[in-house]
Amino acid sequence: GAVVSQHPSWVICKSGTSVKIECRSLDFQATTMFWYRQFPKQSLMLMATSNEGSKATYEQGVEKDKFLINHASLTLSTLTVTSAHPEDSSFYICSARQGGSYNEQFFGPGTRLTVL
Amino acid sequence: SQQGEEDPQALSIQEGENATMNCSYKTSINNLQWYRQNSGRGLVHLILIRSNEREKHSGRLRVTLDTSKKSSSLLITASRAADTASYFCATDSWGKFQFGAGTQVVVTP
Repeated sequence: GAVVSQHPSWVICKSGTSVKIECRSLDFQATTMFWYRQFPKQSLMLMATSNEGSKATYEQGVEKDKFLINHASLTLSTLTVTSAHPEDSSFYICSARQGGSYNEQFFGPGTRLTVL
Repeated sequence: SQQGEEDPQALSIQEGENATMNCSYKTSINNLQWYRQNSGRGLVHLILIRSNEREKHSGRLRVTLDTSKKSSSLLITASRAADTASYFCATDSWGKFQFGAGTQVVVTP
C-alpha cells in the first residue's frame, strides 16, 4: 500500500527558532499534499493544501508567513514553522494524494512539535 | 469549521460489547472515511464508503452512510481492549478533506 513518512517524528525547540518538517510519499508520486494540525484531544484541522510546483493554498486563519510550505517535488513537501512559539506546539500530520480529487489520501505518522 | 460532527464524544464499554458512533456532515461528499488514532499516534485508515454506497463491512467494522440525512455510523462488534482509541470520520468533498471532532472509545477488559 501507499506509504507516507514524516521526519522528524518529534522535535523540541526553543521559542523563536524555526523548525522544518518533511513529508515524503515513499512509493507513489503525490500531486497534492495536505498539512494538518491537531491539538491535544482535538480533531485534525486542515492548514493548507499544496500542489507540486505551485504555491500552497492556506485555510482561513492560517498564517502563510508563519507556516511556510514547499512542495518542490512529487514525493516531498516541507512545512517550516518560522519563529516558533509555545502556542505552535502541536501534532502536525501530512497526507498525500496521487492524481485527482477522487483518489484516497494517505496519512503520515505525524510530527509532535514542542516549543519551549 | 468542522464539517463532521460526531457523537458521542466519548464511549466507555466492556470487552465483547458493540460500540456505535455517529457522524453527521453538512455538504455534499464524494466519500466518507473513518480513521482510528491511538493516543499521540498517527491515523490508521479503517474504511472508506463512497457516496453511492449505503453499507460496507471490514472485519468487525460496519459502516453505514445515509446521504439523505448526511450521516454515517461506525459499528465495532465484539470490541477488544485494543480497540481503545479515538475514532474520526472525515468527509471528502472533491478533494476537500474535513475531520469530525472524534469519538474517544475506551474498552475495558
